[in-house]
Amino acid sequence: AQTVTQSQPEMSVQEAETVTLSCTYDTSESDYYLFWYKQPPSRQMILVIRQEAYKQQNATENRFSVNFQKAAKSFSLKISDSQLGDAAMYFCAFFSYNTDKLIFGTGTRLQVFP
Amino acid sequence: KAGVTQTPRYLIKTRGQQVTLSCSPISGHRSVSWYQQTPGQGLQFLFEYFSETQRNKGNFPGRFSGRQFSNSRSEMNVSTLELGDSALYLCASSLGDDKGRNTIYFGEGSWLTVV
Repeated sequence: AQTVTQSQPEMSVQEAETVTLSCTYDTSESDYYLFWYKQPPSRQMILVIRQEAYKQQNATENRFSVNFQKAAKSFSLKISDSQLGDAAMYFCAFFSYNTDKLIFGTGTRLQVFP
Repeated sequence: KAGVTQTPRYLIKTRGQQVTLSCSPISGHRSVSWYQQTPGQGLQFLFEYFSETQRNKGNFPGRFSGRQFSNSRSEMNVSTLELGDSALYLCASSLGDDKGRNTIYFGEGSWLTVV
């Protein structure tokens, strides 16, 4: 069965600095997708970034980028130039056509200090 | 383009009652899925509907049910509520077809408290 592990329950970063959130996953499939979702205090899950497993190039969305290491089954999120509005829970998630649903990690709470 | 809309946002129910939550997907999205979020169990998949048919189901008891209408709107029902059903229920939508169902967008959730 597929699993997603986020080993950092909490992280903190100074405004304007860079922070990296870790995620590892386990699967025997070769075709899948990985996501980072942000959940601010409003509790809406906001899609931050998406990575297709068959693409070697790491996905980037403005200040957010990923380091996707398929062989190591690692999918970390880097937030550059952190802003106060980045403070939230961040969830790593896995999707494949076999599971046909999102499988989430336990989340990392990110605090941003001015 | 409006996002995923869930109603009601907050509700309180008594043990033994039933509850119905509603979800309107993003325009053009034909798949709606539901997730339960609790502090203890995290985010868990309930079920997914596509073209009015349940396409996938998680490991929840039969008290949890859902349906989808021809306009892709979905409802989720929980009968005989238990204290442990207190949770944030998140609805999500996607295009639902082969290429589009791998990108899923969420609503703001419905907070259910069972007392």
